[in-house]
Amino acid sequence: QVQLQESGPGLVKPSETLSLTCSVSDDSINAYHWNWIRQSPGKGLEWIGYAHYSGSTNYNPSLKSRVTMSVETSKKQISLKLSSVTAADTAIYYCARLIGQYRFDVWGQGTLVTVSS
Amino acid sequence: EIVLTQSPAILSLSPGERATLSCRASQSVGTFLAWYQQKNGQAPRLLIYDVSKRATGIPDRFSGSGSGTNFTLTISSLEPEDIAVYYCQQRGNWPPVLTFGGGTKLEIK
Repeated sequence: QVQLQESGPGLVKPSETLSLTCSVSDDSINAYHWNWIRQSPGKGLEWIGYAHYSGSTNYNPSLKSRVTMSVETSKKQISLKLSSVTAADTAIYYCARLIGQYRFDVWGQGTLVTVSS
Repeated sequence: EIVLTQSPAILSLSPGERATLSCRASQSVGTFLAWYQQKNGQAPRLLIYDVSKRATGIPDRFSGSGSGTNFTLTISSLEPEDIAVYYCQQRGNWPPVLTFGGGTKLEIK
């Protein structure tokens, strides 16, 4: 079973850019769409978007103006950049694999990012 | 954008009881409807997809049903380990946005 591992700074200052990486444990990175999903403390789940190795992306319209996602095949990594962050972006950020056009069958353990000065 | 509304927000039942969780969509979602279980401190886990298909390794006490805009997750006989928050999730046709419901917290008495 493939494993996903998120990594990146746990603390980001307001107005700066949040940058995270998701590492994929096997060679399936070209076969799927890879997603970022976040969960604010004590809240529900919010889909951020997905990226494919071909360069195809699809972002949540509510975040689209601030989000960039990409797949780096040689490193087996997916990156997330979220610009101009505020305290509202404080959340656990999950990486997840998309199958069947819409469902997430494999998730990383998540990484907590706090936005604070 | 399709909005998913889950009810009740909190459900408290005893072991062995039947749990019925509801997910209502603001417009038809076809069969692109999934359910997830999230235990405290863990990532969500896929339970049900395509409305009624169980994901790999999911016990048969979990079942999904519904169509159009109204969907149900049923746990036939609650086990203590079923304590979790349950989310429904769908994909809209256009825009192709993936959205989650607000969740139902299942408590065991």
